[in-house]
Amino acid sequence: SYELTQPLSVSVALGQTARITCGGNNIGSKNVHWYQQKPGQAPVLVIYRDSNRPSGIPERFSGSNSGNTATLTISRAQAGDEADYYCQVWDSSTLFGGGTKLTVL
Amino acid sequence: QVQLVQSGAEVKKPGSSVKVSCKASGGTFSSYAISWVRQAPGQGLEWMGGIIPILGIANYAQKFQGRVTITADKSTSTAYMELSSLRSEDTAVYYCARTGSYGEVDYWGQGTLVTVSS
Repeated sequence: SYELTQPLSVSVALGQTARITCGGNNIGSKNVHWYQQKPGQAPVLVIYRDSNRPSGIPERFSGSNSGNTATLTISRAQAGDEADYYCQVWDSSTLFGGGTKLTVL
Repeated sequence: QVQLVQSGAEVKKPGSSVKVSCKASGGTFSSYAISWVRQAPGQGLEWMGGIIPILGIANYAQKFQGRVTITADKSTSTAYMELSSLRSEDTAVYYCARTGSYGEVDYWGQGTLVTVSS
């Protein structure tokens, strides 16, 4: 069965750029979506179809997808970006990555 | 503005069933899929299944096949998820979620905590 692999944690200094990866076999051929989830809250869609930002999501959030890796990039990281981030793909069913905890130092 | 409002928290005994509702407002209920996603304490997101209300067709994650039933009532814009043969590992927050054409979830319910305990 298809699997999505994310690092358990990523740290970034305040104001720097964070990159969170999502690995999967030929994931570049799939549509990848990314969610941000803060403690006690429902997830929020931050990137859809690899690189598109929903209304209200800052331009600091961007995405790319090629080969076996999709990447969520958060530029000029802020304290408020600290959260868990999940990638997701949909084929005949939906699959989430295991999630990455982003720490802003 | 689209809103998904779920039913309240539940406490269930092992072996019993639970049915969670999700009422949609502010959008076209039948045109989108509704997915159910759960999150056990301290764990990640897990897709359980989904339904396209206009078609009435549901599909389920293999893990939950035979134990979960997802339905939708177009007349009340409400989706339901019923999980049977509950065990302690089913303790989780259950979310309903509006799902677009490419599987992206653009709206989430507030979540329903289901606790399975003897």
